[in-house]
Amino acid sequence: EDKVVQSPLSLVVHEGDTVTLNCSYEVTNFRSLLWYKQEKKAPTFLFMLTSSGIEKKSGRLSSILDKKELFSILNITATQTGDSAVYLCAAILSGNTPLVFGKGTRLSVIA
Amino acid sequence: DAGVIQSPRHEVTEMGQEVTLRCKPISGHDYLFWYRQTMMRGLELLIYFNNNVPIDDSGMPEDRFSAKMPNASFSTLKIQPSEPRDSAVYFCASSFYRQPQHFGDGTRLSIL
Repeated sequence: EDKVVQSPLSLVVHEGDTVTLNCSYEVTNFRSLLWYKQEKKAPTFLFMLTSSGIEKKSGRLSSILDKKELFSILNITATQTGDSAVYLCAAILSGNTPLVFGKGTRLSVIA
Repeated sequence: DAGVIQSPRHEVTEMGQEVTLRCKPISGHDYLFWYRQTMMRGLELLIYFNNNVPIDDSGMPEDRFSAKMPNASFSTLKIQPSEPRDSAVYFCASSFYRQPQHFGDGTRLSIL
């Protein structure tokens, strides 16, 4: 069975801290990995990673994929209260199953 | 550009009633997905369509759930009869093939 596992399930940090969120996957026919941020409403797209070792960056957020060890990390530096959200990762597969989501990491950033 | 549009935003109804959720995907996207999200189970894929044709409905929990996509710009998810355990947030998403999915704001469904 295809599965994506995220850790930790929840995390509380202070503003200014740096956090690392983990996503491991065991899927057949892996193609790419996605990161989403979900606040009160819909998940919004952050990154799509297809190649190992190439870091994607957007402001204080960055992510990298390791296709040998089957995991990805999402880093957030100098966290702000606006970073508080659930962060979801999902694997894009070849074939008929389009996406497999992890259960998410709930990040709370306190002032 | 308009994103994925879902309606209603909230629905509260009594068990046994029929519930219809609606979705308008992003114009030009050829894939449409219906998800259900709960605290316990996270985000679950219910069904998805490619070019208006249902491809995989293995995530639909029971025969009480049905989904249609009569054209490229509209889809419905119907629950009949509804039960309290169907209470969840239901998301619709659309995409191009193997590209990131864009989500609607969801319908928060409460079955009393």
